[in-house]
Amino acid sequence: QQQVKQSPQSLIVQKGGISIINCAYENTAFDYFPWYQQFPGKGPALLIAIRPDVSEKKEGRFTISFNKSAKQFSLHIMDSQPGDSATYFCAASPPYSGAGSYQLTFGKGTKLSVIP
Amino acid sequence: DAGVTQSPTHLIKTRGQHVTLRCSPISGHKSVSWYQQVLGQGPQFIFQYYEKEERGRGNFPDRFSARQFPNYSSELNVNALLLGDSALYLCASSPTATGGYEQYFGPGTRLTVT
Repeated sequence: QQQVKQSPQSLIVQKGGISIINCAYENTAFDYFPWYQQFPGKGPALLIAIRPDVSEKKEGRFTISFNKSAKQFSLHIMDSQPGDSATYFCAASPPYSGAGSYQLTFGKGTKLSVIP
Repeated sequence: DAGVTQSPTHLIKTRGQHVTLRCSPISGHKSVSWYQQVLGQGPQFIFQYYEKEERGRGNFPDRFSARQFPNYSSELNVNALLLGDSALYLCASSPTATGGYEQYFGPGTRLTVT
């Protein structure tokens, strides 16, 4: 059962353009939604994250938009640069219960290529 | 500041063998989680440890085990290796038991089973 669905699988954007990656989740208990950036041969790096009490969060060129009723969230990369070329993963996790497991559920990833 | 470190970087094993992967969390972080990332997929949760206790286990067989040491470093053990265990094994640390928030990943150990 895939609890976080990510699209598109791959994305090609011209330098200076806007990259948009979408994710949809099923588990309404999720309350933390991070985005990770992964370069080849490296581990995922936390990029930006959002909680469901806000609809948008912006950090530099990166913005998360969150739609709780639709159970969807998206990553927007403004003024995309060749250095942004990487694989991006959305993820989600439920609130910590105090004694139980605590884990991130990842989407399958989007390979972004920014061409000059 | 040193990030999460993992060793070895790469490993080649034969089916049926056993493997031990190691992880050192960011200084001050007490929670360590392990993830398996198969080529072309997102990471999948295997274990979470906090204060040397297992706090969570993903949908992996009993061939997978882990432990956390008093210095908060951790080992992931996999017995009776299968070809399907070939993957990038990622360790992530976070400062508290609420491991989902602000998890920081290491570079991973690339395991190839032949």
